[in-house]
Amino acid sequence: DQQVKQNSPSLSVQEGRISILNCDYTNSMFDYFLWYKKYPAEGPTFLISISSIKDKNEDGRFTVFLNKSAKHLSLHIVPSQPGDSAVYFCAASFTDKLIFGTGTRLQVFP
Amino acid sequence: SQTIHQWPATLVQPVGSPLSLECTVEGTSNPNLYWYRQAAGRGLQLLFYSVGIGQISSEVPQNLSASRPQDRQFILSSKKLLLSDSGFYLCAWSVWGDTEAFFGQGTRLTVV
Repeated sequence: DQQVKQNSPSLSVQEGRISILNCDYTNSMFDYFLWYKKYPAEGPTFLISISSIKDKNEDGRFTVFLNKSAKHLSLHIVPSQPGDSAVYFCAASFTDKLIFGTGTRLQVFP
Repeated sequence: SQTIHQWPATLVQPVGSPLSLECTVEGTSNPNLYWYRQAAGRGLQLLFYSVGIGQISSEVPQNLSASRPQDRQFILSSKKLLLSDSGFYLCAWSVWGDTEAFFGQGTRLTVV
């Protein structure tokens, strides 16, 4: 039972354009949502998060949007850069457990 | 500053052999500790988490076990590895009450 889902396994975006990564969840008890970035053979690194009481959080080129009624969150990267190419995982938190999605591989091409 | 060490980085083991992966955290006390596995098409799957010494919660039934013999040490084990145990194993820690978790560099396990 996948409580956190990323339905797009891959995304290809041109440099300078916006990248939008999507994530859906099923458990309404999740109270915090995070995005992680992962390069091959490395551990994931934290990118940005949002509390369930907010609907938007922005940090530089990265913005996370949360739609609680739809149980949906998204990560916007603008402008996209080649160094953003990686696998992005969304995660949801409840009682100190982080549940991750399946990941979306983002490729930013020149 | 806090750091997390996970070893080995890569491991090739025959089917039926035992497994022991170790993870240690420095610079913090009483962390929450986690073992995740990344397998193709499955994302990051939470295997075990621990909120204190000797306290282990298993998230999925499997061929693996975990132990926490010391406050900042988390061990992932198996008595007999299966082919399906192959994957990328990640240890992580967090502070109780904080949401963000910090990951080690991971161990690539290949069971042959």
